[in-house]
Amino acid sequence: DIQMTQSPSSLSASLGERVSLTCRASQDIGSSLNWLQQEPDGTIKRLIYATSSLDSGVPKRFSGSRSGSDYSLTISSLESEDFVDYYCLQYASSPLTFGAGTKLELK
Amino acid sequence: QVQLVETGGGLVRPGNSLKLSCVTSGFTFSNYRMHWLRQPPGKRLEWIAVITVKSDNYGANYAESVKGRFTISRDDSKSSVYLQMNRLREEDTATYYCSRGWFAYWGQGTLVTVSA
Repeated sequence: DIQMTQSPSSLSASLGERVSLTCRASQDIGSSLNWLQQEPDGTIKRLIYATSSLDSGVPKRFSGSRSGSDYSLTISSLESEDFVDYYCLQYASSPLTFGAGTKLELK
Repeated sequence: QVQLVETGGGLVRPGNSLKLSCVTSGFTFSNYRMHWLRQPPGKRLEWIAVITVKSDNYGANYAESVKGRFTISRDDSKSSVYLQMNRLREEDTATYYCSRGWFAYWGQGTLVTVSA
């Protein structure tokens, strides 16, 4: 199975700050990576697909990128609604696997 | 608009069975593969099953943790996907989600609690 190592597990940041979350894949997954956002009530929303494509309706402050086996989600300027949980998901090969999640907290 | 609504969760004893349903609307269901995923309390999301479309013979694939116990199925006439869960274990306790295709859309989840 492909392991997705997500870091940090939690991040304390301020409004307006720029932050980056990272997932490292244990094997080659090419561009087959999504970033998902989960609200406290469990609602899940896809933000980024295929590593760097922004989903319709997602604010442009969110972006995705890749450097080798490291995949990053960057939020350029944090807003209050961004302080929730984030997960990466690889869909290159079965079983599909998730990172352990990052909890973004307001400093 | 696209909607996915899971139902069928609840409290069940270990060893018993439960069937989840995911009713969808707002898109041509028959064109999309469908997934079931779950999230145990306080833990990461876990993919558990996928079913493909008619042209791919409704092929199914499962995570090892559920293989042989869970069965995914679909009814294109009802725009619905199902998860039959047999021989349930306490570690199957989780919120179960259905999702479309490449995970652009998700249901709100249904909680399954397996406990004696």
